[in-house]
Amino acid sequence: DGGITQSPKYLFRKEGQNVTLSCEQNLNHDAMYWYRQDPGQGLRLIYYSQIVNDFQKGDIAEGYSVSREKKESFPLTVTSAQKNPTAFYLCASSIGGGYTGDTQYFGPGTRLTVL
Amino acid sequence: SQQGEEDPQALSIQEGENATMNCSYKTSINNLQWYRQNSGRGLVHLILIRSNEREKHSGRLRVTLDTSKKSSSLLITASRAADTASYFCATHDQTGANNLFFGTGTRLTVIP
Repeated sequence: DGGITQSPKYLFRKEGQNVTLSCEQNLNHDAMYWYRQDPGQGLRLIYYSQIVNDFQKGDIAEGYSVSREKKESFPLTVTSAQKNPTAFYLCASSIGGGYTGDTQYFGPGTRLTVL
Repeated sequence: SQQGEEDPQALSIQEGENATMNCSYKTSINNLQWYRQNSGRGLVHLILIRSNEREKHSGRLRVTLDTSKKSSSLLITASRAADTASYFCATHDQTGANNLFFGTGTRLTVIP
């Protein structure tokens, strides 16, 4: 069953803690993305990766970090430096391999709440 | 910012009616895509229209693109209650990166 998965679905964090959100895909896609969505808003790009071992900052990278050690996995760490981390986080992937603006396939999202 | 803007922000119609949503953007694009998001879920791709295309159909969906006005519209015909969702446009610009820029969304409610 092909697709993109995110875990956990809900995550609670105390202030000052780092947390890591998981994103896995078995679509054999080269490119992966992390977005943040606030209530009633569109998506804002946090980080993206066009290929393994490479990633780039998006529009709102401050307070976040990522790694891309495997093609299938693109975990996002929300650090204590992120001042307002409560949001809905969406991971996506696309075929990639070029600058064509491919269709993106989204995971179900992780809702992070800071207590 | 390239981020698009959808209009209206919210739309409420009766089942069977048509729904039209509009998207405006700021810079030249390679393609424009429409996505749907059910409440609390991920986005699902609906349709992609390239900059050299003016109209595209997919089932009950009709998308138009006017690059001179930097705008697009999504028409859903014969709406159903299951069409209730938020709809986002996303643009791929000509800067050379592979990223999409998402609009702020239109919240569609179809009343049975």
